Amino acid sequence: GAGVSQSPRYKVTKRGQDVALRCDPISGHVSLYWYRQALGQGPEFLTYFNYEAQQDKSGLPNDRFSAERPEGSISTLTIQRTEQRDSAMYRCASSLESLLAGGGEQYFGPGTRLTVT
Amino acid sequence: AQKVTQAQTEISVVEKEDVTLDCVYETRDTTYYLFWYKQPPSGELVFLIRRNSFDEQNEISGRYSWNFQKSTSSFNFTITASQVVDSAVYFCALVFQGGGGADGLTFGKGTHLIIQP
Repeated sequence: GAGVSQSPRYKVTKRGQDVALRCDPISGHVSLYWYRQALGQGPEFLTYFNYEAQQDKSGLPNDRFSAERPEGSISTLTIQRTEQRDSAMYRCASSLESLLAGGGEQYFGPGTRLTVT
Repeated sequence: AQKVTQAQTEISVVEKEDVTLDCVYETRDTTYYLFWYKQPPSGELVFLIRRNSFDEQNEISGRYSWNFQKSTSSFNFTITASQVVDSAVYFCALVFQGGGGADGLTFGKGTHLIIQP
């Protein structure tokens, strides 16, 4: 079946603009996660959802970052007033159930490469 | 706080050599899960293994094996008879159960493995 998809794959934006990054998880997956990966680093957890409920947003860097998953499927990560330091690969992952509910595997999407100029 | 340390930034070996990638973790909780992911040059994140904290049995999958030792908080990964296709960045990751509801993975910084022909 189809894996996790993300769009756009590449996004170049000017500093100060808002961007919206989309994640389409594997059908039927309850849990959805957002990560950010800087060059040469491991992914850094941002936030996650079970169904449409945002369970934890402690990893979001500041209040310019927000995420939603209104119908428990597709999710959008929005960055307002982008800054150059926001440039990174933004990855989405989904899993059949939450890791803490028994784990399973997190399937990662290909990521959106965001460049803020 | 939880933490994953991959002290080896880069390892270079000649094909057919065995190589071990180290992973040391810190967590206060007694229930947690450990993971290894592979990130080949193409950039995707590929799941390799998940291990829960109550299962200390070592695991072997083909040329891959994992040694989990709670006494030293380590979860090391060995590739036997390495091949050029094993060249990638390998990440160790942790999720723990307890406090805050956080369910996202904490990744190490990764080890860049180079297999020379």
